[in-house]
Amino acid sequence: GIQVEQSPPDLILQEGANSTLRCNFSDSVNNLQWFHQNPWGQLINLFYIPSGTKQNGRLSATTVATERYSLLYISSSQTTDSGVYFCAVDKRTTGAQKLVFGQGTRLTINP
Amino acid sequence: GAVVSQHPSRVICKSGTSVKIECRSLDFQATTMFWYRQFPKKSLMLMATSNEGSKATYEQGVEKDKFLINHASLTLSTLTVTSAHPEDSSFYICSAKSGTSFSYNEQFFGPGTRLTVL
Repeated sequence: GIQVEQSPPDLILQEGANSTLRCNFSDSVNNLQWFHQNPWGQLINLFYIPSGTKQNGRLSATTVATERYSLLYISSSQTTDSGVYFCAVDKRTTGAQKLVFGQGTRLTINP
Repeated sequence: GAVVSQHPSRVICKSGTSVKIECRSLDFQATTMFWYRQFPKKSLMLMATSNEGSKATYEQGVEKDKFLINHASLTLSTLTVTSAHPEDSSFYICSAKSGTSFSYNEQFFGPGTRLTVL
C-alpha cells in the first residue's frame, strides 16, 4: 500500500516564527488532505490539495504531485497553532476512499 | 464547512459491556462514513468503511463481530463495541464524505469519542 512520511516529527518554535511541514508519499495520489488535530482531538480540515497551491490566511500548502510531496507553510505562528498536523492521501478516484495518514508533525508554539 | 458530530464524547464502562457510538453528518448527506481508531500519540488507523444501506467493509485485522457498524440513514452511522475489554480503550473518530454539495473527495471528521474500559 501507499506509504506516507511526514517530517519533522516534532517542531518547537517561538510565537511569531514561520514553519514548513513536509509530507512525502510513495505513489501517485488523487486526494491529499492536511489536518490540524487540536489538543482535544478534533481534526480540523486545513486543505484539500491533491495538486497545486492554496492559501488560507496564515496557512498555505503546495502539492507537487509529480514529485510526490506536499508542503504546509505556517507563517507568524500563534500558540493556538499548537497540535499535531497530519497529511492523508488516497489514490482512488471513485468509490469509497481509504485515506492513509502519515504519522504527523507535533508542533508546539511557545509564547 | 461540513459538520460531523459524535456522541458521546467520552465514555467509561466496565469490562464485558457494550458501548454504542453515534456519528452524524449535520448539514449534508453522507453516502459514506468511516471509522478510525487512534492510540495515544499515534496516527489514525482506518477500521471500516460504512455505506448507507449496506454492510460495512472492515480493514484487515479488525474484528467485525467486535466492532459492529450500522449505517441506517444518510446522516447516521453507529459503531458498537461489543463485550468491551481494556484493550479496546482508545480514541474513536468517525468521518463522512459527501458527493454532492461539497468537494467530492474531501472527508470531514467528528470530534472523536474517548472510550475507557475498566
